Amino acid sequence: EAQVTQNPRYLITVTGKKLTVTCSQNMNHEYMSWYRQDPGLGLRQIYYSMNVEVTDKGDVPEGYKVSRKEKRNFPLILESPSPNQTSLYFCASSLLASGSNEQFFGPGTRLTVL
Amino acid sequence: QQQVKQSPQSLIVQKGGISIINCAYENTAFDYFPWYQQFPGKGPALLIAIRPDVSEKKEGRFTISFNKSAKQFSLHIMDSQPGDSATYFCAASPIFYNQGGKLIFGQGTELSVKP
Repeated sequence: EAQVTQNPRYLITVTGKKLTVTCSQNMNHEYMSWYRQDPGLGLRQIYYSMNVEVTDKGDVPEGYKVSRKEKRNFPLILESPSPNQTSLYFCASSLLASGSNEQFFGPGTRLTVL
Repeated sequence: QQQVKQSPQSLIVQKGGISIINCAYENTAFDYFPWYQQFPGKGPALLIAIRPDVSEKKEGRFTISFNKSAKQFSLHIMDSQPGDSATYFCAASPIFYNQGGKLIFGQGTELSVKP
């Protein structure tokens, strides 16, 4: 089954404790992206990657890191989480083909930073 | 700076009624306008999309109306059903290849269809 998976689905942590949220897709997509979803703000892009070893900042990159060492994986790293990073996070992927910008989303990771 | 503005933030419609959600954008370099549907506890999923060379696209009960000169587009859900209750996001994507598959989302509309 074609899908985007994220782990963990729920995470409660404390300020300053490094964490990683994993994302994996099995559709051979070049493009992968991380978003955070907050009430009234919609989905805002954190980082994106257009292929292996190619990453770039989105609209709200502060406090986050990413890496793309393999095509299928795109982990999101919070090296020193703070309470303002409490949010619902989504990973998404898509093909970089003309005529199709459809993004496929994972199920989400709800993060609480105390 | 919100490049895609969506309204209303929430919407309550009776079963069988028409749900209308509006979006406006600022950047004329956008050339792909999708709508995503999100059910509670799930990730968003593509519902319907339009490119600016047409003014309307219909898929079943869902229709996108697009007004290029006004830089506005809207989603109409005909004969709304309780199963349509979800959060809807409009989005826009730029033309240029170096933006890849980038999508810029609106703020979202929480739709509730009452039986």
